[in-house]
Amino acid sequence: GESVGLHLPTLSVQEGDNSIINCAYSNSASDYFIWYKQESGKGPQFIIDIRSNMDKRQGQRVTVLLNKTVKHLSLQIAATQPGDSAVYFCAERYNFNKFYFGSGTKLNVKP
Amino acid sequence: EADIYQTPRYLVIGTGKKITLECSQTMGHDKMYWYQQDPGMELHLIHYSYGVNSTEKGDLSSESTVSRIRTEHFPLTLESARPSHTSQYLCASSDPGEKLFFGSGTQLSVL
Repeated sequence: GESVGLHLPTLSVQEGDNSIINCAYSNSASDYFIWYKQESGKGPQFIIDIRSNMDKRQGQRVTVLLNKTVKHLSLQIAATQPGDSAVYFCAERYNFNKFYFGSGTKLNVKP
Repeated sequence: EADIYQTPRYLVIGTGKKITLECSQTMGHDKMYWYQQDPGMELHLIHYSYGVNSTEKGDLSSESTVSRIRTEHFPLTLESARPSHTSQYLCASSDPGEKLFFGSGTQLSVL
């Protein structure tokens, strides 16, 4: 099937700075997107989601932006903390409610 | 956060053994999924279920089988494990809003 791709495999940021993780998706029929955080040895943890009828959604310290014109999704983390260090995946949903995941971006937060 | 449990967390077995990876959720979710993930890589859907007695193969070919006799239980079985089956196996369920919730995963190593 079509795949979700991530622009940057590794992102290093200074503690306190804002982080932006990007994701390109290829299926224009995708109607729902989720960002997940995965720490070493654990399962993915839900961060924030957005439906295709929206272009922005905010949570606690996180914002997801959706640009359907260029099929681009981004996750913004404000005031990045060491506990934010993890691998971040975006997932898109299409094809009878199945989710497709990208290969992940590793976020390193330097103290 | 959904309560979804996977056992065992780690499993090291010899080639040819039959194994069953357990997954249970206590949220009453109808939809459940199995994903396979190699280190640092994306998640690949190998099986899913939309309810009791419903099972479907995912997009990644897998020699494993699943069953869904009870809503809360979605075990995955390998009849004869091989080194190529070495991977992390993640179970998930989705709530009515379609968010996927993951278990902690089973790290399988076949010698």
